Amino acid sequence: QKEVEQNSGPLSVPEGAIASLNCTYSDRGSQSFFWYRQYSGKSPELIMSIYSNGDKEDGRFTAQLNKASQYVSLLIRDSQPSDSATYLCAVNWGRDDKIIFGKGTRLHILP
Amino acid sequence: DVKVTQSSRYLVKRTGEKVFLECVQDMDHENMFWYRQDPGLGLRLIYFSYDVKMKEKGDIPEGYSVSREKKERFSLILESASTNQTSMYLCASSLDTQYFGPGTRLTVL
Repeated sequence: QKEVEQNSGPLSVPEGAIASLNCTYSDRGSQSFFWYRQYSGKSPELIMSIYSNGDKEDGRFTAQLNKASQYVSLLIRDSQPSDSATYLCAVNWGRDDKIIFGKGTRLHILP
Repeated sequence: DVKVTQSSRYLVKRTGEKVFLECVQDMDHENMFWYRQDPGLGLRLIYFSYDVKMKEKGDIPEGYSVSREKKERFSLILESASTNQTSMYLCASSLDTQYFGPGTRLTVL
């Protein structure tokens, strides 16, 4: 059974601080990893993808991947109230771009 | 930019009705997906298609069928809607990465 696990939260972080979101996955063969942001009532929006071990930075966002530990994380620096959303971790499986989603972590940035 | 559109944002149907949800993408992607999202259950794959007229069942295909007659269009069909199919339905298309449409919130009364 392929699984992607996330803490459901809510994770409360003061404005301006670093938010750290974590995800573990069960399939050692996974090669592609994604973070999506979903505002309430809206569809998921891709934030970042990562394919290699290490860090990948894009603006205030940094994705971190450790395949040996089967662990992927998302750091959000200088958190803003507009970052308040549910963050979905997703991991590929099989072929044809299929991915499995975690159930998401609710992030609340405190003004 | 990838654009994925869905035919309706909100839809209300009655039990037993046949329901069509349409999804169109403009990026010539081969792969398209239908999910439903429910509180506490996350995103669950209903069906996906990897080419015109080609489809595979996802995790929860029961009560649903799909049609892909053209590359850009992927339709989800509820043959006889039931109240337990009340949900948010999300379509996605992909070339390496999945991009989502805005979603259809379906209520079955």
